[in-house]
Amino acid sequence: SQKIEQNSEALNIQEGKTATLTCNYTNYSPAYLQWYRQDPGRGPVFLLLIRENEKEKRKERLKVTFDTTLKQSLFHITASQPADSATYLCATRADYKLSFGAGTTVTVRA
Amino acid sequence: GAVVSQHPSRVICKSGTSVKIECRSLDFQATTMFWYRQFPKQSLMLMATSNEGSKATYEQGVEKDKFLINHASLTLSTLTVTSAHPEDSSFYICSAIFPDSYNEQFFGPGTRLTVL
Repeated sequence: SQKIEQNSEALNIQEGKTATLTCNYTNYSPAYLQWYRQDPGRGPVFLLLIRENEKEKRKERLKVTFDTTLKQSLFHITASQPADSATYLCATRADYKLSFGAGTTVTVRA
Repeated sequence: GAVVSQHPSRVICKSGTSVKIECRSLDFQATTMFWYRQFPKQSLMLMATSNEGSKATYEQGVEKDKFLINHASLTLSTLTVTSAHPEDSSFYICSAIFPDSYNEQFFGPGTRLTVL
């Protein structure tokens, strides 16, 4: 069965540093990967989508890479700020259904 | 972006009672809505897919008689948890897509259900 894993439950970093989150998938080859942000007690908010034929995607201070050989996506938050503190979820999609990883909670210290 | 609302935001009920949660797309007509459940520190798990005017499609392991879904219009889907038990306590989140949002689902703010 399809499996998507985010191998770090929590990440604590100093303000201004780059946070790097990992998402691995097994047993299938998604056409694209999505990243969402979820704040406590709230629903996820879409951030970025990267397709299998794209190596890298950027949006402001966010960067996503997609390595289909390693079956892995990396999510980077550069010049991190305390406001970036949240849980970040990766997700793949098949027939409109999203499968989410468990998320990585990022805490940025001032 | 498109806005999805949920009501109520939190509900506490006694074991054995039924609870209805509403999901509305506020500024677009949603072709499909989804219902997820999220337990603490766990991922969102898809419960069912709901299309307006047709029966919902439930994921494996989700009891359709316990979690009743009604998608009465293109802007409203409801989830009714029937005969709720403490193990049904969770965070329920809906999402919606519309024809031009092929790559993005818009999520509601979630409903925290606590069954005593």
